[in-house]
Amino acid sequence: KAGVTQTPRYLIKTRGQQVTLSCSPISGHRSVSWYQQTPGQGLQFLFEYFSETQRNKGNFPGRFSGRQFSNSRSEMNVSTLELGDSALYLCASSSGQRTTNEKLFFGSGTQLSVL
Amino acid sequence: AQKITQTQPGMFVQEKEAVTLDCTYDTSDQSYGLFWYKQPSSGEMIFLIYQGSYDEQNATEGRYSLNFQKARKSANLVISASQLGDSAMYFCAMREGPAGNTPLVFGKGTRLSVIA
Repeated sequence: KAGVTQTPRYLIKTRGQQVTLSCSPISGHRSVSWYQQTPGQGLQFLFEYFSETQRNKGNFPGRFSGRQFSNSRSEMNVSTLELGDSALYLCASSSGQRTTNEKLFFGSGTQLSVL
Repeated sequence: AQKITQTQPGMFVQEKEAVTLDCTYDTSDQSYGLFWYKQPSSGEMIFLIYQGSYDEQNATEGRYSLNFQKARKSANLVISASQLGDSAMYFCAMREGPAGNTPLVFGKGTRLSVIA
């Protein structure tokens, strides 16, 4: 069974640009969560999508947005990039059954550098 | 306030020795779940072990075990017989509430280095 696939693996952008990251979950998983990881702040939750609907949202500005397609693939978009957006963006998939013990399966992430 | 606290930014352990990585958590919920993940340099977060708040036994998965002390709100990860491949970042995480509708919240992590 294929794991969570994130593309691209690396991305370099300049301030003010926008970027779109892609995530393909494990087959059969309906929930996709996104996290931002930085050395200073650690892993911070961005949002979760389930059946094409945003189910949970973290404390990030509106420049960060996402969507999920009918095949459960998800994209996240960051508009008007700032230097502080440089981070590893991790996508995680799960069945979405909403139990306390539900574990997340992560991709290898997209390393975004904003110059 | 931090929900998950990992006080050890870095740890060293000799190969074949056991090591304990500390994790304390803060929640007022009675129902919650605690997770440990490993992140090697490749970046992917790998699930290691889970402990539910109502589980009476400490969780074990192969060389990983969880020392769960509910009254002290701690969930320390014990790795036995360390291997060079165990060198990585380790994250403790928690999901609160019985409905599982809150996101997984992570600590800042502990970098473990295994020495030959």
